[in-house]
Amino acid sequence: QSALTQPASVSGSPGQSITISCTGISSDVGGYNYVSWYQQHPGKAPKLIIYEVNNRPSGVPDRFSASKSGNTASLTISGLQAEDESDYYCCSYRSRIYVFGSGTKVTVL
Amino acid sequence: QVQLVESGGGVVQPGRSLRISCAVSGFTFSNYPIHWVRQAPGKGLEWVAGISYDGSKKDYADSVKGRFTISRDNSKNTMYMEMNSLRGEDTAVYYCARGGPHYYEMDVWGQGTTVTVSS
Repeated sequence: QSALTQPASVSGSPGQSITISCTGISSDVGGYNYVSWYQQHPGKAPKLIIYEVNNRPSGVPDRFSASKSGNTASLTISGLQAEDESDYYCCSYRSRIYVFGSGTKVTVL
Repeated sequence: QVQLVESGGGVVQPGRSLRISCAVSGFTFSNYPIHWVRQAPGKGLEWVAGISYDGSKKDYADSVKGRFTISRDNSKNTMYMEMNSLRGEDTAVYYCARGGPHYYEMDVWGQGTTVTVSS
């Protein structure tokens, strides 16, 4: 089961906005509104930051937003902060299984 | 508070078996699906398997189908994964994660247990 495609790295300065793309196929990202996003700091467990394409769990700052168009989902971090430096993974449901993205390392310059 | 704690990891020889566990607390275990997700050293996340709230439905990634078996004991608030015919590429940190209230997300994660397959 092929991973969803994400850029390996994205960087930005504090206060800027960055966007991470997540490209799948019609059987996963394009076929379901069940895309989620996870933040993972080094040596830590992943943390859910977006579910069902564009919904934030309680406690996740509103500078995190997300969307989907066709087979590509996107995560935007607005007003980038130092603590946002982390790895980010998208995940999509695909007919009884789940597929994760390849992961994107976000660097705050 | 809501907590998932994995255990049972270790070093195992190729071809051998290992069972890892995920004990939960702080929520009604029998109401939620649970997943196993692994992360090989320096690599990304890979969904491995998932089990429905009552254990009636089990799904597996192609990479482990036929070798790994997931199960749960709702009376003990614990989920298990029996891993057979282990290979070097199974070396990873194994996380258990709760299927969230909207079902298709994983909203709470354990800290992981490390499985190393090596001779």
